[in-house]
Amino acid sequence: GENVEQHPSTLSVQEGDSAVIKCTYSDSASNYFPWYKQELGKRPQLIIDIRSNVGEKKDQRIAVTLNKTAKHFSLHITETQPEDSAVYFCAVLGPSGNTPLVFGKGTRLSVIA
Amino acid sequence: EPEVTQTPSHQVTQMGQEVILRCVPISNHLYFYWYRQILGQKVEFLVSFYNNEISEKSEIFDDQFSVERPDGSNFTLKIRSTKLEDSAMYFCASSEQGSGNTIYFGEGSWLTVV
Repeated sequence: GENVEQHPSTLSVQEGDSAVIKCTYSDSASNYFPWYKQELGKRPQLIIDIRSNVGEKKDQRIAVTLNKTAKHFSLHITETQPEDSAVYFCAVLGPSGNTPLVFGKGTRLSVIA
Repeated sequence: EPEVTQTPSHQVTQMGQEVILRCVPISNHLYFYWYRQILGQKVEFLVSFYNNEISEKSEIFDDQFSVERPDGSNFTLKIRSTKLEDSAMYFCASSEQGSGNTIYFGEGSWLTVV
């Protein structure tokens, strides 16, 4: 099955700096790569996603890049703010409608004011 | 914006008791899922459900677990005889289609087995 590795497990940045979280996956047929933000005790909330036919996608301060050849994708948050502090999960979905979404282990991001 | 809704938000149960967690997926969605998250750990897939049957399940989803769509709107997860290690947040999710479609999560049901 799909194996998703996420790094780093924790990340502290100063407010205003950028944060980068990276994930690798194993199944080259996987075609959908969402990122979720989870605040304490809350549900995972989709913040950005990318499909395999696109190399980069940006939404305001958040961007995701995908390298299909290397089987890795990254989340970039620029101009970080304290409210960006949360656990971020990458996930990978395979090509079949039956394939479950497989999550990485999460990155706890702390933005220090 | 439509949401996946779950009940109860929190349940405490004695070990060995049966528990039913309920979910109402987004109305036009066809794929339904249960995930769980043990405190401080990653979100883990349990089961997916499509066209009134299980389409895939993980090794976590053993004979103690079952899912059902008893009517046109509810999607339930039953744990027959709860164990301490079943204590976790259980998230229901749904998507309009399967592959490549955004999966929306409910707020979760926090299950504590004592």
